[in-house]
Amino acid sequence: AQKVTQAQTEISVVEKEDVTLDCVYETRDTTYYLFWYKQPPSGELVFLIRRNSFDEQNEISGRYSWNFQKSTSSFNFTITASQVVDSAVYFCALSGQGNTGKLIFGQGTTLQVKP
Amino acid sequence: GAVVSQHPSWVICKSGTSVKIECRSLDFQATTMFWYRQFPKQSLMLMATSNEGSKATYEQGVEKDKFLINHASLTLSTLTVTSAHPEDSSFYICSARTSGSPEQYFGPGTRLTVT
Repeated sequence: AQKVTQAQTEISVVEKEDVTLDCVYETRDTTYYLFWYKQPPSGELVFLIRRNSFDEQNEISGRYSWNFQKSTSSFNFTITASQVVDSAVYFCALSGQGNTGKLIFGQGTTLQVKP
Repeated sequence: GAVVSQHPSWVICKSGTSVKIECRSLDFQATTMFWYRQFPKQSLMLMATSNEGSKATYEQGVEKDKFLINHASLTLSTLTVTSAHPEDSSFYICSARTSGSPEQYFGPGTRLTVT
């Protein structure tokens, strides 16, 4: 069975603080994809990143960075110097090779960045 | 590119009536479309997967006779909630992908309220 766990339900930080959102996944597939999405109050999902299981390089995009570690089945997301506009719900998701591409979402982490 | 639209963005209907939600891929051919449901403060739960020209595959626990899905063309899938009840009130989100691509493109969602 495939599963994604985001243990942090809610996180509150003050602007300019760094914050890391945790994601742990379970799958028996050897080929799979991991995703992060942002869901602002409007509800529309915003794609942030996709990683395939063969690429463990960490990625940085502006203030965002991702740490993918297969050894611990984790795909954590860090926002550096957080801003109020980062306030949203963040979802980690998994897509395996044998499941026709459907996404398994974690429970989501609500991030509140206070000014 | 890769834009997915949903119509309507919100709808209010009376209990017992049926509601149809459209999901369109505007600039690509979607061989597969997914329908998700999201209750307040919860994660996205996959309802069904539809491939163009084929019957939809429903997830366990989703009533196929209540949630009718049609994927008649490569750019359009519809979800019809039949005999809606207040417990069907939710945020419905579709996504689309092309054959062989792990990427899913999400629509903006439809908020359904059943009174």
